[in-house]
Formats: sequence, structure tokens, C-alpha cells
Amino acid sequence: GDSVTQTEGLVTLTEGLPVMLNCTYQTIYSNPFLFWYVQHLNESPRLLLKSFTDNKRTEHQGFHATLHKSSSSFHLQKSSAQLSDSALYYCALSDRANTNKVVFGTGTRLQVLP
Amino acid sequence: NSKVIQTPRYLVKGQGQKAKMRCIPEKGHPVVFWYQQNKNNEFKFLINFQNQEVLQQIDMTEKRFSAECPSNSPCSLEIQSSEAGDSALYLCASSLDRGANTEVFFGKGTRLTVV
Repeated sequence: GDSVTQTEGLVTLTEGLPVMLNCTYQTIYSNPFLFWYVQHLNESPRLLLKSFTDNKRTEHQGFHATLHKSSSSFHLQKSSAQLSDSALYYCALSDRANTNKVVFGTGTRLQVLP
Repeated sequence: NSKVIQTPRYLVKGQGQKAKMRCIPEKGHPVVFWYQQNKNNEFKFLINFQNQEVLQQIDMTEKRFSAECPSNSPCSLEIQSSEAGDSALYLCASSLDRGANTEVFFGKGTRLTVV
């Protein structure tokens, strides 16, 4: 079945430095939809950005990600971290063959320090 | 802000007791999901519905959980006999359709503690 891998459980960096959170996926379907959800402390997860177009950059709220089907990756990036970016970030996948559920990665906690 | 309403926010049950939680999806959203988020923040898909029909569920849900989404009533998820390992945050989510690119909106969750 589908799976999503987020290799880092915790990423700690200083405010102002660039952010990169890794996400790779596995699916037998050739046209998956990839998502990044963000969950702040005591909040519910909410959508940050999504994509299904190969090699096209998608941006929202200063974050961006590009779906690369050749490497099955959808890494989340930001040029300059802010303290308010501290949160849990989940990469997720769905596809037309299995639209009944969204498969989530294990999440990466981003901790931005002053 | 998400308009998915989950009650109660916190639930404490003894082992062997029933534990029931409810969810009102966002208005107009026919697709409802239940996920279990454990202490490591990992998501486990439990079950989903389109209107009153179950679309998909995992084996654990089929055996130990009772879930429904009746028309004109909140959806519910009930653990028939709670176990310590069921302690987790139960997240309900809804979406506008079953399309693969459709955003899922989450409620704030019900945090279940089984003592």
C-alpha cells in the first residue's frame, strides 16, 4: 500500500536559517497527490500546501515544495525560519486508486530557537 | 479555522469500559474520517464514511470499535471495551468529496485516557 516517510523526527534550528523537511513516498499509482499539513501546539492539523504536478513549485505562507516523481519526494522548504513556524509538520499522500483515505507520514517536529 | 466539532475534548475511562466520542463534520462535507494520533504523534487511519456508508476501515476498527454517521446526527466512534493502548488523541476530519486532491479539515480531537 501507499506509504510516506519523514526521516527526521525533530529538526531544531535558529531563527532566520533555512528550513528543509524531508518527505518521500511510495505508491504504485503514477499520479499521487501530496500534501503538507501543519499542527501547532494544542491545535488541529491544517493544510499548508498541496501538489500533484511534477516538477512544479507550490508555495503558501512562505513555505514551498516541489513534487519530484523521479525521486518520489516532496520536501518542504522555507528560506528563513520564524519562531512561529515551530510546530509538527506532516507529509501526506492520496491517489485516485485509494481516495478513501489520506496516508500520513510520522511527522517532523520543527523547533525554531531565537 | 476548522468547523469540525468534536466532543468531548477529554475522556477518561477505565479498562473494559465503553468510550464514545462524537463529531460534527463541516457543513456540506459528506466524507468523514477518524484517525488515532498516538503519543508519538503518529496518525493511524481508523475508518471513513461517505454520508452514512462506511468506505474503508482497518481490522482493529472492525473488531473493537463501533462507528456510524447517521443522517441529521453527529458521527460517533465508540470503543466497546477500552484498553490501555487505546489512550490517544482521536481526530475526526471531513472533506467536501472523495477526490484525491481534496483538503481534509480536522477537528480539535478527543483525548482519551484509559486508566
